[in-house]
Amino acid sequence: DGGITQSPKYLFRKEGQNVTLSCEQNLNHDAMYWYRQDPGQGLRLIYYSQIVNDFQKGDIAEGYSVSREKKESFPLTVTSAQKNPTAFYLCASSPLDRGDEKLFFGSGTQLSVL
Amino acid sequence: GENVEQHPSTLSVQEGDSAVIKCTYSDSASNYFPWYKQELGKRPQLIIDIRSNVGEKKDQRIAVTLNKTAKHFSLHITETQPEDSAVYFCAASHYNQGGKLIFGQGTELSVKP
Repeated sequence: DGGITQSPKYLFRKEGQNVTLSCEQNLNHDAMYWYRQDPGQGLRLIYYSQIVNDFQKGDIAEGYSVSREKKESFPLTVTSAQKNPTAFYLCASSPLDRGDEKLFFGSGTQLSVL
Repeated sequence: GENVEQHPSTLSVQEGDSAVIKCTYSDSASNYFPWYKQELGKRPQLIIDIRSNVGEKKDQRIAVTLNKTAKHFSLHITETQPEDSAVYFCAASHYNQGGKLIFGQGTELSVKP
């Protein structure tokens, strides 16, 4: 389904807990992205990665961490430093070729705080 | 960095009418402008996109126009149908910035039968 798989679909975090959201793609895309979506708002960029073992902060990186050890995988960790983590998290990937910057999105993970 | 403003935040039209959503961007280097449709609880889906070397693009009932001088672009939906009801997002990016898309705030379109 679009070649990008996010898991879990729903996730609950306790106070002081770190949680990790999974994102896997089989599209052979070089670039991967994490966006956060709050109700009634647009998508805000958390982190992005253009190649393996390299990533850059987006507009709202504080309280989050990522890794890119494999081309196919770009997990996002929501740390205890993120005080307002409740949101819908979307992972995306792109071939990042000149003339083809289309983003393909996963189905999202809804994170809530217990 | 790039900033994208989108208006209106909500739009209600009668079935069969046209709908127009407008976006402005701040970075003149941006050269790729996609529009996404997101139904409730679903992932955003690309519906149309335009590059800075083109002024207008159409795909059946959907069209996008771009004014580079004024740094704004618009989505036009004609002959709206109830299934067009969704949240629409505009976005802008530049290849040399890692292809990261900066999104507008979204427009909730409601098409009343």
